[in-house]
Amino acid sequence: SQQGEEDPQALSIQEGENATMNCSYKTSINNLQWYRQNSGRGLVHLILIRSNEREKHSGRLRVTLDTSKKSSSLLITASRAADTASYFCATDKSKGTYKYIFGTGTRLKVLA
Amino acid sequence: DVKVTQSSRYLVKRTGEKVFLECVQDMDHENMFWYRQDPGLGLRLIYFSYDVKMKEKGDIPEGYSVSREKKERFSLILESASTNQTSMYLCASSGPQGEKLFFGSGTQLSVL
Repeated sequence: SQQGEEDPQALSIQEGENATMNCSYKTSINNLQWYRQNSGRGLVHLILIRSNEREKHSGRLRVTLDTSKKSSSLLITASRAADTASYFCATDKSKGTYKYIFGTGTRLKVLA
Repeated sequence: DVKVTQSSRYLVKRTGEKVFLECVQDMDHENMFWYRQDPGLGLRLIYFSYDVKMKEKGDIPEGYSVSREKKERFSLILESASTNQTSMYLCASSGPQGEKLFFGSGTQLSVL
């Protein structure tokens, strides 16, 4: 099974609302990353949170990490139609390696 | 601007053909990756290279091989293409700390 698994699988919201996506993983990690993918394109790095951090912000993005529950959440505030994309979390396959395992992603649709 | 370039955006091949997917990065990155992406399965790691001529198997290496003769180039080879290798193939690279991944735009391969 995937190291990182996101939920929900799909999310549809109105423009201006907040979107929250969750990621669960199985083993100890060095860091967890979130990526975005526009339809049929490559992934773009959004934010990285290290295992010793609990919360991180970048613009309208807020990421939290709970290592005791092996979970993370990505919050996008004041969403825009342009945020429509798939969002993936990625964790290092085992601590200290450079190999990242991706989840199956959350498909976000923001309605104008 | 940093760049990971995949040689083809779309590729159609016949069963049994030998297929080469090329990836070039201009960031002098040590680490390079090949993933395949299938609906409902997310991204799965095929092979990883941490230096010239060095490679490691990922989670699904069967039916694939790789070549890294120069630092900037990482090739994925399908020795004898099969229909179950129809997929989106994504190349990525990362620097010495092995953190943020930079992705190419992907190659959608169809094997008929």
